[in-house]
Amino acid sequence: GAGVSQSPSNKVTEKGKDVELRCDPISGHTALYWYRQSLGQGLEFLIYFQGNSAPDKSGLPSDRFSAERTGGSVSTLTIQRTQQEDSAVYLCASSLEGLADYNEQFFGPGTRLTVL
Amino acid sequence: RKEVEQDPGPFNVPEGATVAFNCTYSNSASQSFFWYRQDCRKEPKLLMSVYSSGNEDGRFTAQLNRASQYISLLIRDSKLSDSATYLCVVNLVKIGGFKTIFGAGTRLFVKA
Repeated sequence: GAGVSQSPSNKVTEKGKDVELRCDPISGHTALYWYRQSLGQGLEFLIYFQGNSAPDKSGLPSDRFSAERTGGSVSTLTIQRTQQEDSAVYLCASSLEGLADYNEQFFGPGTRLTVL
Repeated sequence: RKEVEQDPGPFNVPEGATVAFNCTYSNSASQSFFWYRQDCRKEPKLLMSVYSSGNEDGRFTAQLNRASQYISLLIRDSKLSDSATYLCVVNLVKIGGFKTIFGAGTRLFVKA
């Protein structure tokens, strides 16, 4: 079956512009996660959705970052007024259930964001 | 102190060798534990979950020590295809929800 998909695969933008990143989770997965990975670094947890709600937004790096999920499926991560330090690969993952259990997270291929 | 710490390596081993990675976590509220594998410029994929009793999957053995707050991964009879970065992952219960913490990874190179 189809895995997690993300779009765009690459995004180059100018400093100060807004960007929107999209994630389509595996059908039927209730939980969805956003991470970012800078070059040569580990994954930084950003936010987690269980259904349409995100119980904890404290992982978002600043108030320029926001995320929503509608219909328990597609999620968008929006970065406003992008800065050069926002350049990274943004990874989305989904799992059948949430973090309370041993649920495998399935990752998408990521969106590589470059802020000039 | 990082919430999840791993030796970054790299570990350079010959084919057939046995190699072990350790990972420590700082928060005792950590609830579930995993090893993921990430190939160069690819997304992470689950290698195995780590249970309290320890578990084995073929050449891979994972152990969890809750008292000392560390997790280990043992790879026996290394193959060239085992070359990758191994990520220690902890799910943490916190007020208001949950959080997943990835270690920065340990790089493994298996040479012929």
